[in-house]
Amino acid sequence: DAGVIQSPRHEVTEMGQEVTLRCKPISGHNSLFWYRQTMMRGLELLIYFNNNVPIDDSGMPEDRFSAKMPNASFSTLKIQPSEPRDSAVYFCASSLIGNTIYFGEGSWLTVV
Amino acid sequence: GIQVEQSPPDLILQEGANSTLRCNFSDSVNNLQWFHQNPWGQLINLFYIPSGTKQNGRLSATTVATERYSLLYISSSQTTDSGVYFCAVLDTGRRALTFGSGTRLQVQP
Repeated sequence: DAGVIQSPRHEVTEMGQEVTLRCKPISGHNSLFWYRQTMMRGLELLIYFNNNVPIDDSGMPEDRFSAKMPNASFSTLKIQPSEPRDSAVYFCASSLIGNTIYFGEGSWLTVV
Repeated sequence: GIQVEQSPPDLILQEGANSTLRCNFSDSVNNLQWFHQNPWGQLINLFYIPSGTKQNGRLSATTVATERYSLLYISSSQTTDSGVYFCAVLDTGRRALTFGSGTRLQVQP
């Protein structure tokens, strides 16, 4: 199994630019999660989907963040406009509902 | 929301030593997982253990759901065990994992 695949692995962008992070979950999984990891706040849930439907987006920091899951094999997390405080590692994860959650390798975002 | 507390926050061991990491949680849970984040940032599943005891090589875990804690045991530690160990729980109301702040382990040769 290929595991959860995220892209890009690393991105450096200038403040104000749009950032799009991509995720391909494990085939057959029906839950998808976006987490953010920072030194100050640790690992925090941003949003998750069940069967492509957003269930809980209460962790999305503000309107600059949006996430979509147009089909079972693809999701995006978009930040527009980006700010330096958005610098973090963004993880995508997937699972069968209620079962073991598997993480991708993360997208390391730096906004300068 | 559910609170997850891990202890100790930091741990330094000599190679070959044993250790116990603890995770306390504030409410009933349907799911508990232990992860290892290696020095390259990868989050690796160790155990899916909402209750009972499991073992995988030198690692084992026990969750006592009624008393709201879980323990991760590492025996005969190796330098490759270094990294951060996270406990994450799925509370009965929410269907996504809430993470503790982790235990940072350093195993010295």
